[in-house]
Amino acid sequence: QITLKESGPAQVKPTQTLTLTCTFSGFSLSTSGVGVGWLRQPPGKALEWLTLIYWTDDKRYSPSLKSRLTITKDTSKNQVVLTMTNMDPADTATYYCAHRRTTVAPFDYWGQGTLVTVSS
Amino acid sequence: SYVLTQPPSVSVAPGKTARISCGGNNIGSKSVHWYQQKPGQAPVLVIYYDSDRPSGIPERFSGSNSGNTATLTISRVEAGDEADYYCQVWDSYTDHPVFGGGTKVTVL
Repeated sequence: QITLKESGPAQVKPTQTLTLTCTFSGFSLSTSGVGVGWLRQPPGKALEWLTLIYWTDDKRYSPSLKSRLTITKDTSKNQVVLTMTNMDPADTATYYCAHRRTTVAPFDYWGQGTLVTVSS
Repeated sequence: SYVLTQPPSVSVAPGKTARISCGGNNIGSKSVHWYQQKPGQAPVLVIYYDSDRPSGIPERFSGSNSGNTATLTISRVEAGDEADYYCQVWDSYTDHPVFGGGTKVTVL
């Protein structure tokens, strides 16, 4: 059974760097085709994709946030880490990590999400 | 970049059929996935590859995709179907996922 869970601070201050960890089980990020993505959803707004890392360590970033995002994986720990720099109140959102099985596949398993509030 | 357009809201009476559209340029050539999100919960995949249903999703949920429009159909709508629904495809040029803006389904 595939599960994912996000962890990290519930609140950060403007200009700080956010680090979130996605800890997963039930699959390996060394399996061909597999990817883990990060998405977010500001309160009352739509889903927004942020970044994705593949089993090959290849990475994709949302063009609008690329300069602020870094995604890494630790296959031995079954973790994917998202780093977002220069946080702003507009980045207040629920952040999700999700599993993708292969090319053009859906995000079939999602974490429960973690709410991050950016406030001084 | 590729854009998906959904109606902001759809209202439907219990027992009736809800149809949620997802418009995109030649979307019929892409695989469309649909997610249901209830308040305070993570999205749940309800339709993938245009019309396949994951295990545990009722047969009342179905999907189609042709031309410039994909459609999620919910038959015999129940109160528990009230949620936001998002369509999603992969942009073949950038290898980025693209989401529609979401449709809020209200059961009258």
